[in-house]
Amino acid sequence: DTAVSQTPKYLVTQMGNDKSIKCEQNLGHDTMYWYKQDSKKFLKIMFSYNNKELIINETVPNRFSPKSPDKAHLNLHINSLELGDSAVYFCASSQGGRTGELFFGEGSRLTVL
Amino acid sequence: AQSVTQPDIHITVSEGASLELRCNYSYGATPYLFWYVQSPGQGLQLLLKYFSGDTLVQGIKGFEAEFKRSQSSFNLRKPSVHWSDAAEYFCAASDTGRRALTFGSGTRLQVQP
Repeated sequence: DTAVSQTPKYLVTQMGNDKSIKCEQNLGHDTMYWYKQDSKKFLKIMFSYNNKELIINETVPNRFSPKSPDKAHLNLHINSLELGDSAVYFCASSQGGRTGELFFGEGSRLTVL
Repeated sequence: AQSVTQPDIHITVSEGASLELRCNYSYGATPYLFWYVQSPGQGLQLLLKYFSGDTLVQGIKGFEAEFKRSQSSFNLRKPSVHWSDAAEYFCAASDTGRRALTFGSGTRLQVQP
């Protein structure tokens, strides 16, 4: 059983399109995250939800909109994709949020052409 | 500003040799500290964590890390490296009130036969 699963694993699309990445965790955790990993492997927090409530929203363009229908799911929708959005997007979850002990999905590689 | 620094971008060691990966942090107070490992094409996996107490912490896969407050460091060590340890290693820190990790830029470990 995959603890944190993301779909799709690979996504290739044209500039200007809209796309979504889905994330589900079966660990019973109450906090979920989206991280972006750029081509230099640098990881940066984008969003964090605790029990469906947005608690962290870093400086991310408002073309990115997270949605958490329940505490087991955190989806990421991206409008008007740009070349610079190409990256690997990681979903993660934790219990409580304060310990930093995250469980990561395998990542979704987004390529914008 | 809070930051985590990994001075070594790339390290190569011979199989069976010892390993030390460096990590320094800059926070107002001692943060929670973590080491994660990322194998190619995979998500990140927690190796070990430090919250308080004993400054030498043991993790999975034979890794350990030592917290040194005077040097603001949390270096990762392994006495004898195996070829399967080749991966990207990330040091991370968490402010107790922030609920998200700040990652270093990563150190890529290559293991020679």
